[in-house]
Amino acid sequence: EDKVVQSPLSLVVHEGDTVTLNCSYEVTNFRSLLWYKQEKKAPTFLFMLTSSGIEKKSGRLSSILDKKELFSILNITATQTGDSAIYLCAVGGAQKLVFGQGTRLTINP
Amino acid sequence: SAVISQKPSRDICQRGTSLTIQCQVDSQVTMMFWYRQQPGQSLTLIATANQGSEATYESGFVIDKFPISRPNLTFSTLTVSNMSPEDSSIYLCSVGRGGTPDTQYFGPGTRLTVL
Repeated sequence: EDKVVQSPLSLVVHEGDTVTLNCSYEVTNFRSLLWYKQEKKAPTFLFMLTSSGIEKKSGRLSSILDKKELFSILNITATQTGDSAIYLCAVGGAQKLVFGQGTRLTINP
Repeated sequence: SAVISQKPSRDICQRGTSLTIQCQVDSQVTMMFWYRQQPGQSLTLIATANQGSEATYESGFVIDKFPISRPNLTFSTLTVSNMSPEDSSIYLCSVGRGGTPDTQYFGPGTRLTVL
């Protein structure tokens, strides 16, 4: 059965800190790995990764995929209170996305 | 990205009743999906809504409980039938772009509470 596991499940840091969120997966017919940010109800798309070792970057957020070790990390530098959210990792395989449990990130001022 | 709207945004319903959730997209899309997110849990795919044919349901979800319509390429509905408190969840529709189900964009969600 396809599985996506995120860690940690919860993280509390101070504004300005750097955080690393982890996502490991076991999925047949892997196509891509995606990161989403969920603040209220709707997840918003952050990154899609398909190739190993190529970093994707958007402002203070960056992500990289390791297809050999079957994991990805999402880095957020110089965190701000607006980064507080649940971060979801999803893996595309066999015509659907499989989501991890999410990491609840709290940034304290 | 697509602009997706959902109605209602939230509802409180009585046990045994049914609720239909609508999802409207501002452009034609091939792939539409319905997800459920139970309190404190991640997203679980209910079904893929296929235009012109029956939806494809995931294991653990059945058409009698979650009938889905997809009359055209911009609209879909999900009905939660004969509701119980265990159906209290956020229900989300999403669309896939670029011909694959991978890059999905989500609607604003419907928060359902069943008493």
